[in-house]
Amino acid sequence: DTAVSQTPKYLVTQMGNDKSIKCEQNLGHDTMYWYKQDSKKFLKIMFSYNNKELIINETVPNRFSPKSPDKAHLNLHINSLELGDSAVYFCASSLAGLETQYFGPGTRLLVL
Amino acid sequence: GNSVTQMEGPVTLSEEAFLTINCTYTATGYPSLFWYVQYPGEGLQLLLKATKADDKGSNKGFEATYRKETTSFHLEKGSVQVSDSAVYFCALSNAGNNRKLIWGLGTSLAVNP
Repeated sequence: DTAVSQTPKYLVTQMGNDKSIKCEQNLGHDTMYWYKQDSKKFLKIMFSYNNKELIINETVPNRFSPKSPDKAHLNLHINSLELGDSAVYFCASSLAGLETQYFGPGTRLLVL
Repeated sequence: GNSVTQMEGPVTLSEEAFLTINCTYTATGYPSLFWYVQYPGEGLQLLLKATKADDKGSNKGFEATYRKETTSFHLEKGSVQVSDSAVYFCALSNAGNNRKLIWGLGTSLAVNP
């Protein structure tokens, strides 16, 4: 029944580790996004894929690498995690021609 | 360029008080405007939207009117409840922007019983 799901919900890890976050949507949307939300609730777009093609690639360290195996999935891999990567990461999706984005519940990443 | 400015929070109100959260925007052309709400511990969800001038979006007792002359999209509710405590985000979307939403900084609302 879940529209946009993310795993894991919580992720606690050490500096220098590599981790992945997964996102899946069952809404039939063709565009998916990754956002980072900091502790002050500031929301920053990181990446967007449309039909598996990267269309938005904001100024993000190249330690972050998105991958979209198909239209329904968008994963985010982070290499060499740093303290400043601690944040909530949200996945979202939308349908071509419509601007409303649907958000997942978020992945709370804490780097120690 | 495109930008969204929201009033800074936190906003603290008593139950049944009137709520206004100001949002103004800068954009070329005719953007669509949105209010999203984020309840504690959850993702964002669309609250309401308007796609052209003078449109009024409404949902769950909240309203916002797209005012092109003042480039504003202020969020209002006549009588807030404790369950309205959340962070509210104003956003705009402009054609040719790769469907990127331009977000305000968010306004935190706390409603006390």
